[in-house]
Amino acid sequence: NAGVTQTPKFRVLKTGQSMTLLCAQDMNHEYMYWYRQDPGMGLRLIHYSVGEGTTAKGEVPDGYNVSRLKKQNFLLGLESAAPSQTSVYFCASSPHSISYEQYFGPGTRLTVT
Amino acid sequence: LAKTTQPISMDSYEGQEVNITCSHNNIATNDYITWYQQFPSQGPRFIIQGYKTKVTNEVASLFIPADRKSSTLSLPRVSLSDTAVYYCLVVPPGAGGYNKLIFGAGTRLAVHP
Repeated sequence: NAGVTQTPKFRVLKTGQSMTLLCAQDMNHEYMYWYRQDPGMGLRLIHYSVGEGTTAKGEVPDGYNVSRLKKQNFLLGLESAAPSQTSVYFCASSPHSISYEQYFGPGTRLTVT
Repeated sequence: LAKTTQPISMDSYEGQEVNITCSHNNIATNDYITWYQQFPSQGPRFIIQGYKTKVTNEVASLFIPADRKSSTLSLPRVSLSDTAVYYCLVVPPGAGGYNKLIFGAGTRLAVHP
C-alpha cells in the first residue's frame, strides 16, 4: 500500500493564481482531512470529509475549497492565492472508528509570492 | 475543548528513558489522549492513544493518572532517530470528534550522542 500520497510536493504561486492540491489514499478510509502547518507551529485543520461526496469546514477554512468526488481522493483548491497561504499542507485519512489514528501524507510545500 | 500544555523542548542522550508530560486540566469524561510524532519535513505519525491507567505498545508507553488531568509519554532507551516533535492531543470520541484534533506547538525532543 502506498498509504497517503500528495501531489505536488512543492509549488510556487504568484498572488492571485489558483491551484489544486491532490490527496489520494489506498486504505479505503472514510475520513479525510486537510491541514496546514506554519513554521514552528502545530497543524491547523482546514477542511475535512466524513465520506464520499461530503465536506465540512475545519478551524481555518477561509480561502480554500475542497471536494471529495471519489472516496480515495480529497482535493484542496486555492482560488486566489495570497502570501498568507504560504505553508506546508498535509493531507490525512482515518478509518471509520473511534480510534483517532490519522495517517498523514508527506506534505506539499507551497510558497505564494 | 480541553487545552493541552507540554514543554516546548527537551534534551536527552542516547539510551536514556524520556518522559514527556502533558497537562490537560479541562479534559472531559469521554475524551481520549493521543500522541503523535513528527519528523522534519514529514507528516505526523500516530504513536499511542489511551483513556486511563497505562497503555503500552512497541514504541512507547502512556501513563494516565486517575484524575486524567495529565498524561506522560514514555520513550524507553531513545536513539538519535527519536529526535522529533511530539504532540499531545485530547480528542472527544463519537460524531463530531474528528474535526476537533488540535495540534499545539508540541515538544521538540533532541537526542544527543
